Amino acid sequence: RKEVEQDPGPFNVPEGATVAFNCTYSNSASQSFFWYRQDCRKEPKLLMSVYSSGNEDGRFTAQLNRASQYISLLIRDSKLSDSATYLCVVNIMDSNYQLIWGAGTKLIIKP
Amino acid sequence: NAGVTQTPKFRILKIGQSMTLQCTQDMNHNYMYWYRQDPGMGLKLIYYSVGAGITDKGEVPNGYNVSRSTTEDFPLRLELAAPSQTSVYFCASSYSNGPGSEGYTFGSGTRLTVV
Repeated sequence: RKEVEQDPGPFNVPEGATVAFNCTYSNSASQSFFWYRQDCRKEPKLLMSVYSSGNEDGRFTAQLNRASQYISLLIRDSKLSDSATYLCVVNIMDSNYQLIWGAGTKLIIKP
Repeated sequence: NAGVTQTPKFRILKIGQSMTLQCTQDMNHNYMYWYRQDPGMGLKLIYYSVGAGITDKGEVPNGYNVSRSTTEDFPLRLELAAPSQTSVYFCASSYSNGPGSEGYTFGSGTRLTVV
């Protein structure tokens, strides 16, 4: 089992719709969680951190479920510019490698 | 601020050749990292550094070497290039140990093809 698993997609979603996708992690020692966004042939960029209480940043909402070991990302009122690959990232505090990266979920917003 | 600058952006190497991927950051970050990204895979850590003069292996270090003589620079050396090293390479830096809430700052990547 991969340490961090994501549905690769693609998720094809009409503009204005709400879309959500999950990421599961296997190591219960995981401490910190992040969503990064990666545009085609570009570098990853931090979208948001995921806090235990959940957090919201504009149209984006991230949730953490420690009991079931997954994090989620919800995008409301999706825009064409939201088309990208969303990478789930987990920080395991007992690892020297710092971050474990998921392979990403590809999102395509259609007009 | 330039952030993290990587050069070159593209390179084609022949099997057995060597090259150095350059990475420099101007944010005075102590922590620097080299990742590779293969299609359909998550980023894999090659090497990292917690400060000038200190480097350590990541998950996939074989075939690579690094040095960190200054805070700003963290070059990655490929010796005897192999087709398995065809990948996109990203350099990143961070202020603290662990990404914190500010995350990592990445360079724009180097696309390397070994033929």
